[in-house]
Amino acid sequence: GAVVSQHPSWVICKSGTSVKIECRSLDFQATTMFWYRQFPKQSLMLMATSNEGSKATYEQGVEKDKFLINHASLTLSTLTVTSAHPEDSSFYICSADDRATNEKLFFGSGTQLSVL
Amino acid sequence: RKEVEQDPGPFNVPEGATVAFNCTYSNSASQSFFWYRQDCRKEPKLLMSVYSSGNEDGRFTAQLNRASQYISLLIRDSKLSDSATYLCVVVYNFNKFYFGSGTKLNVKP
Repeated sequence: GAVVSQHPSWVICKSGTSVKIECRSLDFQATTMFWYRQFPKQSLMLMATSNEGSKATYEQGVEKDKFLINHASLTLSTLTVTSAHPEDSSFYICSADDRATNEKLFFGSGTQLSVL
Repeated sequence: RKEVEQDPGPFNVPEGATVAFNCTYSNSASQSFFWYRQDCRKEPKLLMSVYSSGNEDGRFTAQLNRASQYISLLIRDSKLSDSATYLCVVVYNFNKFYFGSGTKLNVKP
């Protein structure tokens, strides 16, 4: 089945630094990738929809200048958390929509970000 | 109003029990529906798709009621390994996936 690879799995960083998270579709082309954030005991919250070759579409309340998304190729999307603060600590998950398999969504393994 | 609403639980059931979860959605134009399973601090994994005609996979049965805008998941003969959080997912505009908050299931010996 379709595989989505996400790196890194864990990041611990100091407040004020930037963190980049990569999401790759390994055996299919993903024209659309999604970025979610999940706080403890809460649901996945869609942050943005990333389309290859165009600007990402951000959900209401998500700061586009803080969460930079780049989808430069059909197999890679990156999320950069700029000037991270402790309140940005969360579980970030990417997913890709494999249209070939009836709109099923495949997820990366997630990135646990801890900002000190 | 949330796009998708679920009872967070937890549902605590003994092994062998039958348990059912419901999920309601607000957008009548929603096109596709899924149940995902998520273990603690792991990515969600697709459990099954949901169709109006019903969908059964072993001990799991999913149902969609478009008129009332809800989907359901029934688990028969619960196993310890079924303990997880179950997320319902509703799709519209072909690429907008919205997740419920998840229903936590604890199956006890």
